[in-house]
Amino acid sequence: AQSVTQLGSHVSVSEGALVLLRCNYSSSVPPYLFWYVQYPNQGLQLLLKYTSAATLVKGINGFEAEFKKSETSFHLTKPSAHMSDAAEYFCAVSDLGLNDYKLSFGAGTTVTVRA
Amino acid sequence: GAGVSQSPRYKVAKRGQDVALRCDPISGHVSLFWYQQALGQGPEFLTYFQNEAQLDKSGLPSDRFFAERPEGSVSTLKIQRTQQEDSAVYLCASSLERAGNGYGYTFGSGTRLTVV
Repeated sequence: AQSVTQLGSHVSVSEGALVLLRCNYSSSVPPYLFWYVQYPNQGLQLLLKYTSAATLVKGINGFEAEFKKSETSFHLTKPSAHMSDAAEYFCAVSDLGLNDYKLSFGAGTTVTVRA
Repeated sequence: GAGVSQSPRYKVAKRGQDVALRCDPISGHVSLFWYQQALGQGPEFLTYFQNEAQLDKSGLPSDRFFAERPEGSVSTLKIQRTQQEDSAVYLCASSLERAGNGYGYTFGSGTRLTVV
């Protein structure tokens, strides 16, 4: 089964500063990769997805992620943090082949934004 | 409906009690998924339906867990003889087509189950 590792369970940034959330996947074949955001007491909302069309993927709310095969990474960035970005972020990877409907999630990274 | 609706939002069950969690997917969505999210962890796959057919139940932790989607729309996740380790948020998600191939899901807000 595919897996992802999110480095850092908590990230604290100042408002206006760069947000960088790290995700590494385990696969010899480029999988489909996703970033989801979860606000308190809410479900997961898709931020962006990589499906092999382009290595730099732009998502909602100013987030983007870059797929780097050589590093097996899919890090999420936002140039300037906003207070509303405080949430938990999950990286996910889909299984390969016939089981590609199944997502495996990382443990999540909680982002706090300091005024 | 406009989104995936789950009920109840919160459920407290005594150990040994049976519970039923409901999911109303977005109208017309073919694929439906259940995920379990333990405190401080990412969601873990439980089961997958395509219309009324349960195509994958490999993630169900034990035979106390049972899911159904008899008419291809509403789904129910049933847990028999609940145990404390069943305490988690249960997330339902749906997708318009067969999921995968880059299609993300639409998640509901989840049901938080606490077993005491």
